[in-house]
Parts: sequence; structure tokens; C-alpha cells
Amino acid sequence: AQSVTQLDSQVPVFEEAPVELRCNYSSSVSVYLFWYVQYPNQGLQLLLKYLSGSTLVKGINGFEAEFNKSQTSFHLRKPSVHISDTAEYFCAVRPSGGSNYKLTFGKGTLLTVNP
Amino acid sequence: GAGVSQSPSNKVTEKGKDVELRCDPISGHTALYWYRQSLGQGLEFLIYFQGNSAPDKSGLPSDRFSAERTGGSVSTLTIQRTQQEDSAVYLCASSVLQGAGYGYTFGSGTRLTVV
Repeated sequence: AQSVTQLDSQVPVFEEAPVELRCNYSSSVSVYLFWYVQYPNQGLQLLLKYLSGSTLVKGINGFEAEFNKSQTSFHLRKPSVHISDTAEYFCAVRPSGGSNYKLTFGKGTLLTVNP
Repeated sequence: GAGVSQSPSNKVTEKGKDVELRCDPISGHTALYWYRQSLGQGLEFLIYFQGNSAPDKSGLPSDRFSAERTGGSVSTLTIQRTQQEDSAVYLCASSVLQGAGYGYTFGSGTRLTVV
């Protein structure tokens, strides 16, 4: 089984500041990792994913994440945030092998960008 | 359609009544998932349909919850004798089965309020 811990439930930042949203996972098998974003009253949208290869993954809207296997982390970063980045962000994992495609999600981090 | 469609978008029901929530996945997506999102709890897995295989029902919280997927397409999540703790946003997602690294495409959800 897998589990995901998002260490911060809320992260307030000022516009144009850098931000890091933290995600740690636990799994006895290799995993794929995902970050999703949820804007108010909308479903979840895929931001980026790590499957294999380069540990630095770039996604939409200027976000990137780095996979660190030794620390079992997949932190999300953006060098300069905008007001429009205000949303809830979810980290998720699933086994990379087998036929179980079920994603396990963290509890989410609410990013609030203030002017 | 172009995306995952869920209906209704909002549902208010009286305690003890039955409700049906509908999900219409992306055409050609053979996997379909239901999750429940409660405030501060992240996304809780409910049930997963994968092609013609038996569904993974391991996340259903009680026998009041059931789901079916007809013709490998539309899915209905039924909650019998609703309780106030069933109030949440119910999210449906679909994905292609082949290509293990694909993430999900989510619908906008059904907000269920039990009064």
C-alpha cells in the first residue's frame, strides 16, 4: 500500500514570491508520482508527473517538481507565483508496476497568493 | 464528449433518502474511478472499474454505497439511506488503461449535501 503526506495544509505567499509545496510518500514498491491542481468549484487538473528518467519534471503554468528517491519526496516549486495560482494542490502516487491503476492522494495544500 | 461529465453538479437531499450520481467518462477511456472529497480530508478512493474486470470496491465505506458501470461507459454511484456524514463532493475520473503513466481526467464533481 502507498501513502502520501503533504506537510503543509495551507501556504500563504505574496505575488511574485517563490513557493515550494512539500510532498512525501511511503511505498514498498516503485511508484509514479503526480501533482494535481484544483481551482475553486472545479475538478482536478494534472500539473505534472514523474514516471522515469530525469528527476526534475516540468509541468504546466511554470511549475516543476523534483523526485528524490532517497528522501521519498516529490516537492512542487514555482519561482514566481501569480494571483491566479491560488488553488488547492494535491500530490498523488500509484504503483509503477502491476495492473492497479488506483491513485492515492495526499490531503492537499491550499496555496493562497496575496497581492 | 471532450471531458468527464458529472451530474447533477449539486444535490441536496434529506437524511434517509437514496441518491444517484452519474458519471459519463471520456469516450475510449476504459478505466473509471470514483473518489469522495471531504473538507480537509483530501480525496478518498471509493471504487474503480477497469475494462471488463471485476471492480475494485475496496474503498466503499459501507454497504449503503454501490456503483455500476453499464456498457463500459456511464457509471452511477448510488447511496442508500443517506446520512449527514455522506455530505461531500463526489468526483469521477477516467483514464486510458494502456499506458501506465497516464494520469486521470477528472469531472467537476457532484456536491452532495444531506440535511
